[in-house]
Amino acid sequence: SQTIHQWPATLVQPVGSPLSLECTVEGTSNPNLYWYRQAAGRGLQLLFYSIGIDQISSEVPQNLSASRPQDRQFILSSKKLLLSDSGFYLCAWNLEVLNNSPLHFGNGTRLTVT
Amino acid sequence: AQSVTQPDIHITVSEGASLELRCNYSYGATPYLFWYVQSPGQGLQLLLKYFSGDTLVQGIKGFEAEFKRSQSSFNLRKPSVHWSDAAEYFCAVGALGYGGSQGNLIFGKGTKLSVKP
Repeated sequence: SQTIHQWPATLVQPVGSPLSLECTVEGTSNPNLYWYRQAAGRGLQLLFYSIGIDQISSEVPQNLSASRPQDRQFILSSKKLLLSDSGFYLCAWNLEVLNNSPLHFGNGTRLTVT
Repeated sequence: AQSVTQPDIHITVSEGASLELRCNYSYGATPYLFWYVQSPGQGLQLLLKYFSGDTLVQGIKGFEAEFKRSQSSFNLRKPSVHWSDAAEYFCAVGALGYGGSQGNLIFGKGTKLSVKP
């Protein structure tokens, strides 16, 4: 069966420091991969999605970036964190969209920027 | 543009009572609709989905939802709520292109469910 792993689970970083959050999917190949951010009372905001290695689409311009160096690995990064980057970050995957596959989420990373 | 509205930010029900969480969507064609549940500090778990066919769909944990095209609604229901159902619930619609080149979803802002003993 397929599983998705996100780490770290929690992270406290000072303003201006770099960020790297990692997500990996097991048990499938060529998944679509997504990064969402969830802020309190604001629902989920799609940040990036990827349909293949090195194919990244950005939904929201900001100081975050994403990379997909391997088929089942998706990384969210920042060179310099802002206070507004605090939130709950969720990685998700689904399969070939022609099969109408729903999104499957990881357990998230709680990021606090101080 | 597509959008999802969950009118109720917070609902409190007594254990054993029935539950209905409201969801309204804006979409020009036949939508792909989902309900997810999120426990505190956790990711989202899929409860059920609607793509086509029978407008009443059954999900996990005793939940069901009914698609009503005339009302642009996809309300989630459960006949008898358990204390373990306390969580936040999100309605979502497939973004434009879902089923084609994209697979991302547009989410409502969520409804937090509290259960009184």
